[in-house]
Amino acid sequence: EAAVTQSPRSKVAVTGGKVTLSCHQTNNHDYMYWYRQDTGHGLRLIHYSYVADSTEKGDIPDGYKASRPSQENFSLILELASLSQTAVYFCASSDEGRNSDYTFGSGTRLLVI
Amino acid sequence: GQGVEQPAKLMSVEGTFARVNCTYSTSGFNGLSWYQQREGQAPVFLSYVVLDGLKDSGHFSTFLSRSNGYSYLLLTELQIKDSASYLCAVRDQGYNQGKLIFGQGTKLSIKP
Repeated sequence: EAAVTQSPRSKVAVTGGKVTLSCHQTNNHDYMYWYRQDTGHGLRLIHYSYVADSTEKGDIPDGYKASRPSQENFSLILELASLSQTAVYFCASSDEGRNSDYTFGSGTRLLVI
Repeated sequence: GQGVEQPAKLMSVEGTFARVNCTYSTSGFNGLSWYQQREGQAPVFLSYVVLDGLKDSGHFSTFLSRSNGYSYLLLTELQIKDSASYLCAVRDQGYNQGKLIFGQGTKLSIKP
């Protein structure tokens, strides 16, 4: 079954530390996305990618980097984690990005202390 | 400004119906999607609409009016298990045609 798998499921990080969130999809989709979800804000797009070795900035990219080393893998990197980055992070994939729906991963709950 | 707006909460009664509203204002429009998200879980795709009018999918129906920037998700014969958040998302147009802009979600609570 096609799926999007995120790791870790949850993480506690120290302010100023480096955090890497990983996402792996078996959908054979070209498009991958990273969203964060906060109460009252819904899902906000951080970074996305149309093809391996290329990433694009979303609506709230500050403080985050992304890496797409292959079609299947898409990582989100917090070089210097801050308290404001405490949130639930969702990875998603879609096919061709036009009229197809997103398949989401189960989410990563990140707590920065 | 640009964005997708939804009411934060909605309450209804088991066996009746609920209508979740969504209004949007975006630079382009290439369709609107609805997702269901249960507490602590990932969003799950429900419906996609791009043409005006009502799209009946049984338990869920969706309506779109592009001229008014308005959509709703209609749930009929409500069950307790329909209690969840419902997310509206507009697909942008142009180069970034795959990008979805989400509303904050509407938390639907259903009473017996």
